[in-house]
Amino acid sequence: GDSVTQMEGPVTLSEEAFLTINCTYTATGYPSLFWYVQYPGEGLQLLLKATKADDKGSNKGFEATYRKETTSFHLEKGSVQVSDSAVYFCALSLQGAQKLVFGQGTRLTINP
Amino acid sequence: EAGVAQSPRYKIIEKRQSVAFWCNPISGHATLYWYQQILGQGPKLLIQFQNNGVVDDSQLPKDRFSAERLKGVDSTLKIQPAKLEDSAVYLCASNLRGPHTGELFFGEGSRLTVL
Repeated sequence: GDSVTQMEGPVTLSEEAFLTINCTYTATGYPSLFWYVQYPGEGLQLLLKATKADDKGSNKGFEATYRKETTSFHLEKGSVQVSDSAVYFCALSLQGAQKLVFGQGTRLTINP
Repeated sequence: EAGVAQSPRYKIIEKRQSVAFWCNPISGHATLYWYQQILGQGPKLLIQFQNNGVVDDSQLPKDRFSAERLKGVDSTLKIQPAKLEDSAVYLCASNLRGPHTGELFFGEGSRLTVL
């Protein structure tokens, strides 16, 4: 079945460090790919998305590129801040299925 | 614009008891989802409504879980009787169209603890 695998957490970094959170997917069709973020005490919210191969999604300094050849959608940020501390979820959806399939989440903690 | 509203935020019950969660989606959003998020895992879809019709309930444990969306607006998710493994956060989400094209808007969730 369709699934998403994220790198194991938790991830702890110092402020201004470079961030990569790996995400790979398995899907029978051509999915759209998403990164959602959950800040402490808040609901899940969309961070960025890409709907076709080679698209790059970006928001708040975060980027992810849809790589069909490696079935990946890794999240990156060049210089993280304490305010980026949150749980990050990679997800996919298939046209016609009309639902999101989530990875297990990666907890990120940024120390000042 | 008001977000997705859920209540109660927290609920503690004993096993075999029943519980109900309520969700009011963003006004005008036709699609409503209930997800279950167990600690340390990603959200898992329980049921999806389009207006007041069920689109997908393939992962809903129908022997104990039920959900309805009367009049195509707010929705209720019920668990009866609850089991220990039902301890989780129950997330409600909505959007105008399906997630393939649009963004899902999530509520803050209802945290259930079953003792």
